[in-house]
Amino acid sequence: DVKVTQSSRYLVKRTGEKVFLECVQDMDHENMFWYRQDPGLGLRLIYFSYDVKMKEKGDIPEGYSVSREKKERFSLILESASTNQTSMYLCASSLYRGKGRGQYFGPGTRLTVT
Amino acid sequence: GIQVEQSPPDLILQEGANSTLRCNFSDSVNNLQWFHQNPWGQLINLFYIPSGTKQNGRLSATTVATERYSLLYISSSQTTDSGVYFCAVEQGTGAQKLVFGQGTRLTINP
Repeated sequence: DVKVTQSSRYLVKRTGEKVFLECVQDMDHENMFWYRQDPGLGLRLIYFSYDVKMKEKGDIPEGYSVSREKKERFSLILESASTNQTSMYLCASSLYRGKGRGQYFGPGTRLTVT
Repeated sequence: GIQVEQSPPDLILQEGANSTLRCNFSDSVNNLQWFHQNPWGQLINLFYIPSGTKQNGRLSATTVATERYSLLYISSSQTTDSGVYFCAVEQGTGAQKLVFGQGTRLTINP
């Protein structure tokens, strides 16, 4: 079974802090994704990566950056957390196009910025 | 961009009932997935179904790509089926970027 893990289930941070959200997958997937989910707005793609050290902006990249130094790990960074970044963050991974069976999601991190 | 619409937005049923959830999409897609979001927020893969019909226990799904819709069937519903069901589609080249519908919230009462 594919396993995607996230570093924290719940996280509380203060405004202005630098926040790291970590995601690890164990299935040698090329693609990795970060989404956020908000009531009324659904799931929106923040960033994705299709290879080590490669990254592409999703629909809402502002205020975020990412890092992928190893194939199995994809980090989301909030450089200076703000209250409007309070949300549910979901990481996903998949095999490269044409080889896979879709995206697999981690358990999510509920981030609260106070 | 592509639009994904799910219906109904909310569905309340008694245990044992059957249900059909619908997903319409506005353009051709490469792939389509159905997910169940459990009460703790995790998205559980149900089906990867760009076309055709698949079954897994009490759940089945059908995608008619030429008519741009997919259906998720749940038979003999159980209270553990409660939650939000999402349809998501993939368009374009390169990495598999998913566009999600707004979900159907299913409540199964005992």
